[in-house]
Amino acid sequence: DAGVIQSPRHEVTEMGQEVTLRCKPISGHNSLFWYRQTMMRGLELLIYFNNNVPIDDSGMPEDRFSAKMPNASFSTLKIQPSEPRDSAVYFCASTPGSGGGTDTQYFGPGTRLTVL
Amino acid sequence: GNSVTQMEGPVTLSEEAFLTINCTYTATGYPSLFWYVQYPGEGLQLLLKATKADDKGSNKGFEATYRKETTSFHLEKGSVQVSDSAVYFCALSVGGYQKVTFGIGTKLQVIP
Repeated sequence: DAGVIQSPRHEVTEMGQEVTLRCKPISGHNSLFWYRQTMMRGLELLIYFNNNVPIDDSGMPEDRFSAKMPNASFSTLKIQPSEPRDSAVYFCASTPGSGGGTDTQYFGPGTRLTVL
Repeated sequence: GNSVTQMEGPVTLSEEAFLTINCTYTATGYPSLFWYVQYPGEGLQLLLKATKADDKGSNKGFEATYRKETTSFHLEKGSVQVSDSAVYFCALSVGGYQKVTFGIGTKLQVIP
């Protein structure tokens, strides 16, 4: 079975440009999470969805970040305009249930974003 | 609120040495506890989990026991291999629409 799919795997862009990261969760999973990982701050939850509805977006750093989940098989994380401090690895994860309790999180391979 | 505290790395061990990575937690409610592992260039993957007090999770020679009295979930392995070199994350989750709380991660390097 295919796991969580993320694209692109690597993205290099210039400051001020729009960046769109994409995620396809595991089929049948109900919850989807976007994380950011940096050396300084570790793993941070940005936003999570349950049944395509955003449940908690308190981790979204600022208005430059937005996320959508138009259907159960696709989500995007957009940064506009991008800044050098957005450079990080962005992970998408999905879970079978609501995301809490005993649910295991299944992570994608990540998108390494570099903003010059 | 919920929080996870784990020992900072890096931890460097020789092959076949005994491994312990400490993890303690605070939680509102009754959490499930997890260890995730991240190999270089990859996403996190579940290593083991325990869902109630005194449960022992185990996988690939790794073990961790859910200790409610000490609010701990320490990861152990009797004999590490070079292939165990990775970053290990302790995490907790409370039921319902609650996000998972991850620790900072502990980098393990095993040298031949």
